[in-house]
Amino acid sequence: SQTIHQWPATLVQPVGSPLSLECTVEGTSNPNLYWYRQAAGRGLQLLFYSVGIGQISSEVPQNLSASRPQDRQFILSSKKLLLSDSGFYLCAWRGQGAGGYTFGSGTRLTVV
Amino acid sequence: KQEVTQIPAALSVPEGENLVLNCSFTDSAIYNLQWFRQDPGKGLTSLLLIQSSQREQTSGRLNASLDKSSGRSTLYIAASQPGDSATYLCAVRPDAGGTSYGKLTFGQGTILTVHP
Repeated sequence: SQTIHQWPATLVQPVGSPLSLECTVEGTSNPNLYWYRQAAGRGLQLLFYSVGIGQISSEVPQNLSASRPQDRQFILSSKKLLLSDSGFYLCAWRGQGAGGYTFGSGTRLTVV
Repeated sequence: KQEVTQIPAALSVPEGENLVLNCSFTDSAIYNLQWFRQDPGKGLTSLLLIQSSQREQTSGRLNASLDKSSGRSTLYIAASQPGDSATYLCAVRPDAGGTSYGKLTFGQGTILTVHP
């Protein structure tokens, strides 16, 4: 069966520090991968998506970047965090075809 | 641009009631629609997936319907329980054509509270 792992679950980082959130998927190959952010009291905003290794598309201009070094690994990064980067970050995957999305358990990021 | 609206924003009901959550979308060119549940501080759990060619899907006490032409979906929860308390989100995936890559558009969610 397919599973998605996302870590860490919680992170408190000072302003200006770097960030690396990791997401891995097991039990499938060539998934479409997504990073979403959910700010307090707001809906889910798509940040990045990837349809293959090294292929990253950004949805909104921001202080973050994403990379996909392996087929089932998706990384969200920042060189210098801002207070506005605080939020709940969710990774998701979808297989090829008509299947639905599966989300990870999320990372709560607080920038102080 | 696709917009998804969920009504009501919040709902509080006594245990045992049957209830309906509503989701509407502005662009009927969808590939499928998915209902999720989110508990506080947790990720999203998929409840039901309805393809654009389907009218409804059922899982246990949950039933979701889809009227693609009118841009509406409903999630029906039978015999609600306190454990059903959560935020319910609907999300639409655009039609497979174009360069959308299946990016979901979410509604703002309905916060459901079922009290004993």
